[in-house]
Amino acid sequence: DGGITQSPKYLFRKEGQNVTLSCEQNLNHDAMYWYRQDPGQGLRLIYYSQIVNDFQKGDIAEGYSVSREKKESFPLTVTSAQKNPTAFYLCASSIDLRGRGSLEAFFGQGTRLTVV
Amino acid sequence: DQQVKQNSPSLSVQEGRISILNCDYTNSMFDYFLWYKKYPAEGPTFLISISSIKDKNEDGRFTVFLNKSAKHLSLHIVPSQPGDSAVYFCAATFFYFGNEKLTFGTGTRLTIIP
Repeated sequence: DGGITQSPKYLFRKEGQNVTLSCEQNLNHDAMYWYRQDPGQGLRLIYYSQIVNDFQKGDIAEGYSVSREKKESFPLTVTSAQKNPTAFYLCASSIDLRGRGSLEAFFGQGTRLTVV
Repeated sequence: DQQVKQNSPSLSVQEGRISILNCDYTNSMFDYFLWYKKYPAEGPTFLISISSIKDKNEDGRFTVFLNKSAKHLSLHIVPSQPGDSAVYFCAATFFYFGNEKLTFGTGTRLTIIP
């Protein structure tokens, strides 16, 4: 069945190490997103991609990098330059159903990253 | 610059009563709005959406109202049930301009009191 898969659900890394979070979707959605959730801060956009081989910075892109080599995949790398990497990371994808006048957007289950 | 605002961080409602969650936006170019529900340690799940060509959309117990002149939308849940206890996020996008970037509010924690 179709959906968005984020793996792993929990991830621990040592300070100073880069880490890559996986996000795969089989919904045939064009757009994909990465958000970060911190307590009391809502969902803040890190990066988004509307098409393969293209992506744009969101509101808090510093210390992160992404790639979009395939429609199904949008991995996020948290680099050592990210000052406060410990957070809950959410991946989403969406499809523009302009013919139906609607937009559908779905989220994965999230990855909790803890940097020690 | 918070373009989508949910000014009430929390709300408590008696079971069976109406829950009203509010959302304000500042960018008049937003033309499509979505509401999501989120449980702890899980991804948000889609509830209901509305485009700027409508002022109301209804789906079962959930109704979203859009007031474009006030740049305000609200989610009504009637009747409220214990399973509705969660954090609710509103989101906005530039749908008709071809940009699907979703901008979220900070969320409102809804607690349904049995």
